[in-house]
Amino acid sequence: NAGVTQTPKFQVLKTGQSMTLQCAQDMNHEYMSWYRQDPGMGLRLIHYSVGAGITDQGEVPNGYNVSRSTTEDFPLRLLSAAPSQTSVYFCASRGTDTQYFGPGTRLTVL
Amino acid sequence: GENVEQHPSTLSVQEGDSAVIKCTYSDSASNYFPWYKQELGKRPQLIIDIRSNVGEKKDQRIAVTLNKTAKHFSLHITETQPEDSAVYFCAPSTSGYALNFGKGTSLLVTP
Repeated sequence: NAGVTQTPKFQVLKTGQSMTLQCAQDMNHEYMSWYRQDPGMGLRLIHYSVGAGITDQGEVPNGYNVSRSTTEDFPLRLLSAAPSQTSVYFCASRGTDTQYFGPGTRLTVL
Repeated sequence: GENVEQHPSTLSVQEGDSAVIKCTYSDSASNYFPWYKQELGKRPQLIIDIRSNVGEKKDQRIAVTLNKTAKHFSLHITETQPEDSAVYFCAPSTSGYALNFGKGTSLLVTP
């Protein structure tokens, strides 16, 4: 039981490039979400999904897309990376009560 | 949206002392009140949570108290140890799904 996994662990992009952050969970959780964490800040919700085929926006969705084709996977796409998207990204899934976070992806946009 | 404030932003205590962190929220519909611990370079991990129908919950050295009328809840750590040093976040929620994180409290426990 791997829990929540994220790839890659680190990524450097140039402004304007696109990429997909991967997130997977093996706990059969319906609810998954993406957060970003900037220095000195708490985590801010980007997008979330309450089940396959259902997604919605969180607090800071601009510049990001998501889709949920399976229960296990919830990828986050950056369409045209900007320096303001330099951050640590955490994926999470929720069981009955507890949210479990993945190890994070540290993204730098130059 | 929910406005969440944590105090203090930094806290330094001696080993064995108690530490208290307070979280104030604005949305009266909030009904789930967790505390997360994040060590440097690691993921946030849930350490204790409480629901709105309960006023206090304790787990060994850690406790959470809730005052729904005043819209605040607090994390209490007794007999602090150096391994308690970390950043602590409150994250009240109206659903238990979308969490609204505070900016964090950096706790340092010195031997």
